[in-house]
Amino acid sequence: DGGITQSPKYLFRKEGQNVTLSCEQNLNHDAMYWYRQDPGQGLRLIYYSQIVNDFQKGDIAEGYSVSREKKESFPLTVTSAQKNPTAFYLCASSMFGGSNQPQHFGDGTRLSIL
Amino acid sequence: SQELEQSPQSLIVQEGKNLTINCTSSKTLYGLYWYKQKYGEGLIFLMMLQKGGEEKSHEKITAKLDEKKQQSSLHITASQPSHAGIYLCGADTMNSGGYQKVTFGIGTKLQVIP
Repeated sequence: DGGITQSPKYLFRKEGQNVTLSCEQNLNHDAMYWYRQDPGQGLRLIYYSQIVNDFQKGDIAEGYSVSREKKESFPLTVTSAQKNPTAFYLCASSMFGGSNQPQHFGDGTRLSIL
Repeated sequence: SQELEQSPQSLIVQEGKNLTINCTSSKTLYGLYWYKQKYGEGLIFLMMLQKGGEEKSHEKITAKLDEKKQQSSLHITASQPSHAGIYLCGADTMNSGGYQKVTFGIGTKLQVIP
């Protein structure tokens, strides 16, 4: 079945450590996105990519980095510069970047601080 | 920037009852998405609405976009425990680069009591 796979489901970060969240899709979608979800807040966009080897900062990119070397993969690194990384992270993809394109989501990764 | 307000924030209904969730935008809606999320999981795409007055149904869930395109409603008929979860609306927001940024509401938490 086609879909988006995020791993791991749970992740713990130590002080000063970088951690990488994986996102893989087999939907043949061009566009991919990373969101952060905190209690009482809507989803906030971290980074997005409309095509391989290209990505753009979203609303809250500070302390995060991404790469898009393959169409199906869009990993997110939470760096030590992100001082409040505890959150639920969601990866999404859409057929194309642009309007009227529903985004399809993975099951999320919950990141906590040790 | 566009803001989406969902009401109510939470809802408890008895199984078999009908219910309505509203999503109100501060600006005209050009593309409106409804998603369902179970706690700790990803978002499941339900429906997309584009035209004023448009109405779509899937099983016992009906979504409408009003004529003025600033409000959408999600109606569930004869609710079941399987309908429980968080319902989020999302709206296309066009930026200067022509990129589709989706702004999400905070969500409406629905509990269905057997």
